[in-house]
Amino acid sequence: AQTIHQWPVAEIKAVGSPLSLGCTIKGKSSPNLYWYWQATGGTLQQLFYSITVGQVESVVQLNLSASRPKDDQFILSTEKLLLSHSGFYLCAWSLVWGGAEDTQYFGPGTRLLVL
Amino acid sequence: GEKVEQHESTLSVREGDSAVINCTYTDTASSYFPWYKQEAGKGLHFVIDIRSNVDRKQSQRLIVLLDKKAKRFSLHITATQPEDSAIYFCAATGGNNKLTFGQGTVLSVIP
Repeated sequence: AQTIHQWPVAEIKAVGSPLSLGCTIKGKSSPNLYWYWQATGGTLQQLFYSITVGQVESVVQLNLSASRPKDDQFILSTEKLLLSHSGFYLCAWSLVWGGAEDTQYFGPGTRLLVL
Repeated sequence: GEKVEQHESTLSVREGDSAVINCTYTDTASSYFPWYKQEAGKGLHFVIDIRSNVDRKQSQRLIVLLDKKAKRFSLHITATQPEDSAIYFCAATGGNNKLTFGQGTVLSVIP
């Protein structure tokens, strides 16, 4: 069975400091991967998606970047955090891009507080 | 781009009653409509979906209806239980393959 793991579980960081969040999918080969951001009490906004290793597409900038260094790994990062980066970051995977079977399955999330 | 409006921000029902959450969307090219459940502090859990080639789908106590003409879809939870209490999100995949979410509905099932 596939599992999705996100790290860290939670972070408290200072404005201007760097950030790196990670996501690993096990049990699925060549998944499509996604990063979402959820403001406290709010809806989800897709940030990035990746169909294959080394390729990442940006949906919304928000002064963040993403990379996919391995088939099963997706990294979200920034060199300089802003207060507005606080929230809940969710990684998701799907099997087929744009097809009928494109259900996205989400990880447990990372809660980020920027002070 | 696609916009998804979730009409009930909060919903309270008595245990055993039905709960209905309604969503509308704007992109006529949207073809896939999943629903997710989020418990406090946790990630999203997929619950049910419907594709545009059908107008009704049922999985145990969950029923999803889709009205393509009205660009409206809804989640019906029958015989509600306290463990159904959570935030429910509707979503739609538009012509650009991007999943757009509604604002979420906080469902409270009162024992």
